[in-house]
Amino acid sequence: GESVGLHLPTLSVQEGDNSIINCAYSNSASDYFIWYKQESGKGPQFIIDIRSNMDKRQGQRVTVLLNKTVKHLSLQIAATQPGDSAVYFCAENSGYSSASKIIFGSGTRLSIRP
Amino acid sequence: GAVVSQHPSWVICKSGTSVKIECRSLDFQATTMFWYRQFPKQSLMLMATSNEGSKATYEQGVEKDKFLINHASLTLSTLTVTSAHPEDSSFYICSAPSRGGEKLFFGSGTQLSVL
Repeated sequence: GESVGLHLPTLSVQEGDNSIINCAYSNSASDYFIWYKQESGKGPQFIIDIRSNMDKRQGQRVTVLLNKTVKHLSLQIAATQPGDSAVYFCAENSGYSSASKIIFGSGTRLSIRP
Repeated sequence: GAVVSQHPSWVICKSGTSVKIECRSLDFQATTMFWYRQFPKQSLMLMATSNEGSKATYEQGVEKDKFLINHASLTLSTLTVTSAHPEDSSFYICSAPSRGGEKLFFGSGTQLSVL
């Protein structure tokens, strides 16, 4: 069945360093991927997305990379700050232009060392 | 950006009672909304898709008679947990897609604790 999973459940990063969070997906038909950030007790917050016809997309301090060959995507956070501490989820949506349901991966907790 | 308001943010109830959670799209219309449940240290699991003016679509394993969904208007969907039991204690989150459907905007979640 469809699944979106993460390689690492927790990640500890020195403040100021770059963070890389990885995600593997199994549904080769997925054509749209999203990264969300969730702080404790709050709903997920959209970070960045990427369509399957792209392999890289950059935002402010964040970059998402998509490797369709191995069905892998990653989220890179530059110059990690204490405010980046949260759980990060990758998610997939098989219907980019429709209100299709989004399936979430298992999540990675990012903690920042001072 | 688009805002989804969810209420209440937390609720404590006795076993056997029913709890209603509201989800509103504040500055846009949503013919579809999604309800998720999240247990501690776990991911979000889709429970059902709420459709304005028609029946909700439930995911496999979700009891439709226990989790009643009503989507009576283009800006409001409600989830009612009927005859709640301690195992229903969880973080419930609603979401609504953007106009183009490509992004989801999430509510702030409701922490339900059933005693």
